[in-house]
Amino acid sequence: GAVVSQHPSWVICKSGTSVKIECRSLDFQATTMFWYRQFPKQSLMLMATSNEGSKATYEQGVEKDKFLINHASLTLSTLTVTSAHPEDSSFYICSAGFRELSYNEQFFGPGTRLTVL
Amino acid sequence: GDSVTQMEGPVTLSEEAFLTINCTYTATGYPSLFWYVQYPGEGLQLLLKATKADDKGSNKGFEATYRKETTSFHLEKGSVQVSDSAVYFCALSPYDYKLSFGAGTTVTVRA
Repeated sequence: GAVVSQHPSWVICKSGTSVKIECRSLDFQATTMFWYRQFPKQSLMLMATSNEGSKATYEQGVEKDKFLINHASLTLSTLTVTSAHPEDSSFYICSAGFRELSYNEQFFGPGTRLTVL
Repeated sequence: GDSVTQMEGPVTLSEEAFLTINCTYTATGYPSLFWYVQYPGEGLQLLLKATKADDKGSNKGFEATYRKETTSFHLEKGSVQVSDSAVYFCALSPYDYKLSFGAGTTVTVRA
């Protein structure tokens, strides 16, 4: 089946620094990628949707300047958390979909645990 | 807005026990409904889905029926195994591609 990887799987950073998380579709070309955030014992919350070669579409309440999303190729999307603060600590999950399937059939990465000190 | 409510866990069962995880939803229109499973250390995987009322999704011994009258999509399995230990997420998708997830239910099956 379709495989999506994320790197790193976990990261610890100091407050004020920026962190980049990569999401790769390993065996298919993903025209659309999604970024989610998950708090402990809570739902996955969609942060943004990115289409290859175009700007990401952010959900209401998500700061575009803090969470920079780039989808430069059909196999890679990146999420950069800029000027990270402790409240940005969370589990970030990406997913990917492609044209041959309904867009709501998404393939998920294993997630990245971000801890901001 | 659209939302999903699923029973809180954790749920601990013995092997061969019957599993039910309740899921109800609130949505305008007729969304598609899904169950995703996340095994330890892995990404979410689609377990089953139903796209219209009275549809039954099934996979790996799990079943769920899209009940419009009760706005429910409860997940069931008649005889669980240790390998079914995972976190289960109920989700819905309205007319577009976005997914709204429930909080997840952690299931632990003991031998």
